[in-house]
Amino acid sequence: DAMVIQNPRYQVTQFGKPVTLSCSQTLNHNVMYWYQQKSSQAPKLLFHYYDKDFNNEADTPDNFQSRRPNTSFCFLDIRSPGLGDAAMYLCATSRDWRLAGGDTQYFGPGTRLTVL
Amino acid sequence: DAKTTQPPSMDCAEGRAANLPCNHSTISGNEYVYWYRQIHSQGPQYIIHGLKNNETNEMASLIITEDRKSSTLILPHATLRDTAVYYCIVRRNNNAGNMLTFGGGTRLMVKP
Repeated sequence: DAMVIQNPRYQVTQFGKPVTLSCSQTLNHNVMYWYQQKSSQAPKLLFHYYDKDFNNEADTPDNFQSRRPNTSFCFLDIRSPGLGDAAMYLCATSRDWRLAGGDTQYFGPGTRLTVL
Repeated sequence: DAKTTQPPSMDCAEGRAANLPCNHSTISGNEYVYWYRQIHSQGPQYIIHGLKNNETNEMASLIITEDRKSSTLILPHATLRDTAVYYCIVRRNNNAGNMLTFGGGTRLMVKP
């Protein structure tokens, strides 16, 4: 089945130690998104790629970066994780936002990051 | 962005219809209403979306008022597996993409 895959499901890192979270998709969608969801809060968009074009949300900290080497893969890099970065990180894809009639986002299961 | 207002929690008896309201009084003419749900420890799942007309699919029905200032998501026969947080979202669209701004959502508890 076509899907959005996130690995690992659980990631533990140390304070200040760089960490990379991975997302892959078999949907061949143009757009990929990264969201952060802290405990008991709603998901918050960090940034997205439309094809190779990167779009950062205005309030996304510089500590968060992303790479999309090809259509299928997208990575979230946290350069120096702090305790406040502990959260669920959700990857999503959508086919093409320019489509008339709306455009659905498909989410992966998320990676839960713990910072020690 | 058009903001949405939802009750923080609701209960529903198993087998009964669950009616989840959402207010979006500042919605503009070309903004869609989307509904997603998030079951505990999973990623959000798309349910349904609409612009002006009522919509129905295999999961739910969406009723949008004529003035588009509010909508209701209807799960016709709620099951225990429908227990989740339900998010009503007005899609923000600009030249850079299709953005979903999640609000607080409604925590639906389906009880036996």
